[in-house]
Amino acid sequence: NAGVTQTPKFQVLKTGQSMTLQCAQDMNHNSMYWYRQDPGMGLRLIYYSASEGTTDKGEVPNGYNVSRLNKREFSLRLESAAPSQTSVYFCASGGLAGDIEQFFGPGTRLTVL
Amino acid sequence: QKEVEQNSGPLSVPEGAIASLNCTYSDRGSQSFFWYRQYSGKSPELIMFIYSNGDKEDGRFTAQLNKASQYVSLLIRDSQPSDSATYLCAVSSVTDKLIFGTGTRLQVFP
Repeated sequence: NAGVTQTPKFQVLKTGQSMTLQCAQDMNHNSMYWYRQDPGMGLRLIYYSASEGTTDKGEVPNGYNVSRLNKREFSLRLESAAPSQTSVYFCASGGLAGDIEQFFGPGTRLTVL
Repeated sequence: QKEVEQNSGPLSVPEGAIASLNCTYSDRGSQSFFWYRQYSGKSPELIMFIYSNGDKEDGRFTAQLNKASQYVSLLIRDSQPSDSATYLCAVSSVTDKLIFGTGTRLQVFP
């Protein structure tokens, strides 16, 4: 089992460029999440999907969109990147409705110039 | 706004000592409490969870929960340099998502 995988691991964008962060899990979890982590701010929830076909906003959704493509995959899109979106992005799965543990992917380090 | 608060540290303890990490939360409806460990440059990993008041032990780790005081702690006995990491407290209600604290950085020195 690969657990939660994310691509890419690193990315540098220019202001205004767009990109999609990919996430996949092979643990048959219903719920999936996207977080960003900034120094001194902890993990902040961007969007989550409690089940296939549903998505909901988290604490900091502005500037992002998500797609729950199927049960395994949950992508995060930046339509027009801004320097304030420079961060480490983590995808996670599990943690709701009986899946006690939330498993995290390895993260994507994004820099927006 | 539901909040989870932790002292950012660093908390420095000598090898072999007990490290005590603390967390307070604001939502009295919270029912599930988690401790994650995050090494520098890595992703968080779950080390303990607790639902009921009292203590829960797992090896060198003990989680303590006091719902009346809205307080959860993590004790690490016989601390090792390999325990040096940031420890994240996370809290949720039954049907809600996790709310994370900002983490406490622990340094264990030989």
